[in-house]
Amino acid sequence: EIVLTQSPATLSLSPGERASLSCRASQSVTIFLAWYQQKPGQAPRLLIYDASNRATGVPGRFSATGTGTDFTLTISSLEPEDFAVYYCQQRSSWPSTFGGGTKVEIK
Amino acid sequence: EMKLVESGGGLVKPGGSLRLSCVGSGYSFSDYSMNWVRQVPGKGLEWVSFISSSGSYIYYADSVKGRFTISRDNAKNSLSLQMNNLRAEDTALYYCTKTAVIGSAGDDPWGQGTLVTVSS
Repeated sequence: EIVLTQSPATLSLSPGERASLSCRASQSVTIFLAWYQQKPGQAPRLLIYDASNRATGVPGRFSATGTGTDFTLTISSLEPEDFAVYYCQQRSSWPSTFGGGTKVEIK
Repeated sequence: EMKLVESGGGLVKPGGSLRLSCVGSGYSFSDYSMNWVRQVPGKGLEWVSFISSSGSYIYYADSVKGRFTISRDNAKNSLSLQMNNLRAEDTALYYCTKTAVIGSAGDDPWGQGTLVTVSS
């Protein structure tokens, strides 16, 4: 089973600041990695698919890079609605697995 | 608008069974693979099961293998999860998800979830 490790667990930032979230895989997932945003009481929302492709309707301030084992989600300038929990997920091999999440909170 | 709506959750005793359903609309249901993902309230996400568009390929998390069965009826735009021999640790909100882009990693949309509680 591929283990995804997200860091940091919590990121405390102010609106307007840049956020960088990391997801590291225990073995290569090539580009088969997705990023999700989840707000309290809501289902997760897809942000990025196949490592770097923004999903439909996702604002341009969200970008992602990476291949193999190291991936990064960047929010260029945090908006108030971006404070949430972010998860990565791999679908390179079964079982599919999620990272433990990074909470982006208001400083 | 693509939409997924789950149903079938509820309170069940340990060892009991439950069948979850999910109906998709707003897209060609038979073209996309589907998944079940669960989440203990306040905790992280756990992938549970996958079924390909035709139903030919099926995968399970080790934690549910042998107890849960995923299936789909493309004529009815419907996905199901039969859960047997339920345990307390199966208590969670269960989401139905659709693969966003055929052959890709990433699910969109997600349903609103249906809550399963296993307790005596």
